[in-house]
Amino acid sequence: ILNVEQSPQSLHVQEGDSTNFTCSFPSSNFYALHWYRWETAKSPEALFVMTLNGDEKKKGRISATLNTKEGYSYLYIKGSQPEDSATYLCASDMDSNYQLIWGAGTKLIIKP
Amino acid sequence: DAGVIQSPRHEVTEMGQEVTLRCKPISGHDYLFWYRQTMMRGLELLIYFNNNVPIDDSGMPEDRFSAKMPNASFSTLKIQPSEPRDSAVYFCASSSGYANQPQHFGDGTRLSIL
Repeated sequence: ILNVEQSPQSLHVQEGDSTNFTCSFPSSNFYALHWYRWETAKSPEALFVMTLNGDEKKKGRISATLNTKEGYSYLYIKGSQPEDSATYLCASDMDSNYQLIWGAGTKLIIKP
Repeated sequence: DAGVIQSPRHEVTEMGQEVTLRCKPISGHDYLFWYRQTMMRGLELLIYFNNNVPIDDSGMPEDRFSAKMPNASFSTLKIQPSEPRDSAVYFCASSSGYANQPQHFGDGTRLSIL
């Protein structure tokens, strides 16, 4: 069984602080790595899709990096705001079959 | 541009009844996915289609669950007969199938079986 692991499971961060969390995935047969933001009572919203080793993507205060050789990706949030509170999911696309293997998510809570 | 449209948004029904969930994917997307969200298991893939053909239904929990995609713009997920343990939020998602493109999720159907 090929697993995607995310850590930590949950995270409390003071408003204004920066934070980051990790997604680990099998490096063999790698095709793409997805990050989604999932707010309570809403649906997952795509943040980034990365395919190349060394990829870095940025959207506002959120950025992500990708290391396909060692099988990990980091998501960074700079200057956390209350609206950043959500569960952040990563998912790996293996073998280009477009079926994603999902991590369990990191639940981020921003304390005002 | 319309996103993935799911209906109904909420469904409450009694155990034993048939439940049908509906999904309209984004126009032009070749892939459609049905997911279930539960507290215990998080986001689970139930089944997915490519060009209206089911590719992998290994996530369908049991024979009471069935899914169809009669055309490129419509899919259904049916539960018959429904049981209380089927209560969950069911999401439909679609994607274009290109490596650098994400899955786009509908708003989900919150299903409660009494």
